[in-house]
Amino acid sequence: DSGVTQTPKHLITATGQRVTLRCSPRSGDLSVYWYQQSLDQGLQFLIQYYNGEERAKGNILERFSAQQFPDLHSELNLSSLELGDSALYFCASSVAGNSGNTIYFGEGSWLTVV
Amino acid sequence: GEDVEQSLFLSVREGDSSVINCTYTDSSSTYLYWYKQEPGAGLQLLTYIFSNMDMKQDQRLTVLLNKKDKHLSLRIADTQTGDSAIYFCAESKNNNDMRFGAGTRLTVKP
Repeated sequence: DSGVTQTPKHLITATGQRVTLRCSPRSGDLSVYWYQQSLDQGLQFLIQYYNGEERAKGNILERFSAQQFPDLHSELNLSSLELGDSALYFCASSVAGNSGNTIYFGEGSWLTVV
Repeated sequence: GEDVEQSLFLSVREGDSSVINCTYTDSSSTYLYWYKQEPGAGLQLLTYIFSNMDMKQDQRLTVLLNKKDKHLSLRIADTQTGDSAIYFCAESKNNNDMRFGAGTRLTVKP
């Protein structure tokens, strides 16, 4: 158990809909990362927050957005969903935002868009 | 963009050593990682190495880094059936943007 908690574990939704994935980082971790794992794209970094502020942005679509709340939990919002958005979405956390702090991953949220 | 490449499959017999190889292109990579993903589970950090190190050993795991060739390997000694999983190599400069390989599926045969 990494200490990173993600909900829901599985989600099935229709195209065009919007979903929110939730992540609670490990206790004491200030930084939260979101990754997408799909069959065709592999593991891709989406976005990082550190202590409530966006720190880095990767291959995140404009239809997707994220935020980190004062209690440090984070949400990833996926809207206007397409079939190709079906993937495993990982949240990860680390103590700080850089300097090689170890990143710990949650078990992921499986999203299936039908 | 910068790439991380791994072979997709590796099959070994129980008790043998497994060596999973990884190459990367970004010479400014500072941190290199190995993650394990079991079926239906998340990514588990196995070990990591700083780019100024050549080797790191942790129980049955040995990581070797050849910075000149940008080659990273993970050796698992006395491989067990429980080691069957997908192993991901990853690199980053500063943790903000980790780049992962496609993963190597290790199959351990009894």
